[in-house]
Amino acid sequence: DTGVSQDPRHKITKRGQNVTFRCDPISEHNRLYWYRQTLGQGPEFLTYFQNEAQLEKSRLLSDRFSAERPKGSFSTLEIQRTEQGDSAMYLCASSPPRMGVIMADTEAFFGQGTRLTVV
Amino acid sequence: DAKTTQPPSMDCAEGRAANLPCNHSTISGNEYVYWYRQIHSQGPQYIIHGLKNNETNEMASLIITEDRKSSTLILPHATLRDTAVYYCIVRTRSGGSYIPTFGRGTSLIVHP
Repeated sequence: DTGVSQDPRHKITKRGQNVTFRCDPISEHNRLYWYRQTLGQGPEFLTYFQNEAQLEKSRLLSDRFSAERPKGSFSTLEIQRTEQGDSAMYLCASSPPRMGVIMADTEAFFGQGTRLTVV
Repeated sequence: DAKTTQPPSMDCAEGRAANLPCNHSTISGNEYVYWYRQIHSQGPQYIIHGLKNNETNEMASLIITEDRKSSTLILPHATLRDTAVYYCIVRTRSGGSYIPTFGRGTSLIVHP
């Protein structure tokens, strides 16, 4: 297990179709994040899981977006009825459990992303 | 919630030190500062993080001012492969969670 794995790396879909992306975090990383990145911008937070619980969702995550992490291991991000504006790089990251002191946090490890193109 | 400010771009000659500044004037007393970089078409890569003391690892050094309102990432001997976008971030509190929040970063170009 060498890092965060995302599949597929590239996806081209027609507008209106549904797409699903998968993220396999580093083993024993209980925290998992999804981000979206468009050209020239930094990654924008979408959602956060701690184990199987989805604890945070950004306002960017419209009702067409849904994310799951059913067993606290891999996660999926589904986009329904894709729009051209959904074209972006979708990044997944994972972190190990936090240390005891609340602010003593740990780094996040990112995957290589899934590049979505909606035509 | 702390926010960061970075210059949009910098350049550096190969072999010289690259010093990338970051302002985080609203950072809380016990929030860490993290640095990541992103090479074109790849996911962000963790570089270093710190709280109060200066930190050094095999990739870089992090200098944090005494008042913690700013920091500088130092790449001591920049190479062409260090050309990337560098992000200085703190974790933004969202509900009960702390989320790494990225700005637009500094685009560093290392030239021969």
